[in-house]
Amino acid sequence: NAGVMQNPRHLVRRRGQEARLRCSPMKGHSHVYWYRQLPEEGLKFMVYLQKENIIDESGMPKERFSAEFPKEGPSILRIQQVVRGDSAAYFCASSPLTALNSPLHFGNGTRLTVT
Amino acid sequence: AQSVTQLGSHVSVSEGALVLLRCNYSSSVPPYLFWYVQYPNQGLQLLLKYTSAATLVKGINGFEAEFKKSETSFHLTKPSAHMSDAAEYFCAVSEAGATNKLIFGTGTLLAVQP
Repeated sequence: NAGVMQNPRHLVRRRGQEARLRCSPMKGHSHVYWYRQLPEEGLKFMVYLQKENIIDESGMPKERFSAEFPKEGPSILRIQQVVRGDSAAYFCASSPLTALNSPLHFGNGTRLTVT
Repeated sequence: AQSVTQLGSHVSVSEGALVLLRCNYSSSVPPYLFWYVQYPNQGLQLLLKYTSAATLVKGINGFEAEFKKSETSFHLTKPSAHMSDAAEYFCAVSEAGATNKLIFGTGTLLAVQP
């Protein structure tokens, strides 16, 4: 019973390149959340998606960042023209329901380093 | 708006000693509260959650937390620390609304000395 799968685990990009982070939720989960963890900080909410829909993107930077969760395949967090400040750990979480007592299951994260 | 404050970014205890990690919340609605643990280079694992049932919540690995509305606190405790408890601990509150979007504290790094 696989958990939330994220890949790659580590990603190195030069400034100006694109970064694509993938997240496969747990089997049976149709709700995906992306969080970002900057050094010495807690996790910050970025975006909440259901299949083919963005429900809440209030935590997404206005430019260069986008997310999708297609009908088939993993959820993708895309960062265009990366800058050094994008270096962080990006975590995906999934849940089967939107109910508040349905806890989030987190993946092991993708650690992005921008050189 | 909801928020979480974790007092003490680093806590060090001796093996066998009491663990106390502090968390205070701010919420205009009855909160749902969570404690997560993060081991190095891993994702977050749910330790326990408070969802307006019993105020004393027992979690995994011998941890428990008590919801105190009068103090707006949800401190995490464990009677006897084990070396394997060394990790970073995050307190979180669910944002009001239809989603279970979490607002996290800045975390407390727990070190356990032999």
